[in-house]
Amino acid sequence: GNSVTQMEGPVTLSEEAFLTINCTYTATGYPSLFWYVQYPGEGLQLLLKATKADDKGSNKGFEATYRKETTSFHLEKGSVQVSDSAVYFCALGLLSGTYKYIFGTGTRLKVLA
Amino acid sequence: KAGVTQTPRYLIKTRGQQVTLSCSPISGHRSVSWYQQTPGQGLQFLFEYFSETQRNKGNFPGRFSGRQFSNSRSEMNVSTLELGDSALYLCASSESPRAGRNFYSYNEQFFGPGTRLTVL
Repeated sequence: GNSVTQMEGPVTLSEEAFLTINCTYTATGYPSLFWYVQYPGEGLQLLLKATKADDKGSNKGFEATYRKETTSFHLEKGSVQVSDSAVYFCALGLLSGTYKYIFGTGTRLKVLA
Repeated sequence: KAGVTQTPRYLIKTRGQQVTLSCSPISGHRSVSWYQQTPGQGLQFLFEYFSETQRNKGNFPGRFSGRQFSNSRSEMNVSTLELGDSALYLCASSESPRAGRNFYSYNEQFFGPGTRLTVL
């Protein structure tokens, strides 16, 4: 079946450290891939997306590349800030009859000053 | 455009009661999905409505139901509340998917702030 697996948190980093949050997926067909971010007390916001293999999504210094060969969509940022502290969700969207989303369990990131 | 709105933002109920949550999608969006978010289970899909019809359904008991109105607003109902129903309930809206020959169609979901339900 279709699924998303992302690394468990929490991830704790110092400000300006390099961030990687791993995400792998299993899907039949050609999914689109997303990273969503949830700040405390808020709903999810789309952070970036990639719709086909080798696409790179980027936003606010975050990047992720759609790797079909490794079925991965790892989130990276070169220098994190305290304001990046949030929960990050990897998700896939797939048109299979109707359009379906599958979310990972979320990874909490805490950035210390 | 105004974002997705959910009411109420916070709700406290007791076991056995029922509750109705409301979601107003972004203008022009016809698809509304509902999710339950808990610390232990993460984000779990409840159901999706499109043009007043339930199009997808997750693995939740029949106590969880929903509906969508002609203006795309949606309500979610939980009957006979249990302690385990305490959660953040998120609503997300999207346009109709871009289907057809384009295999790489996608459909971005826009989330509301959620309704925090506490069952005592």
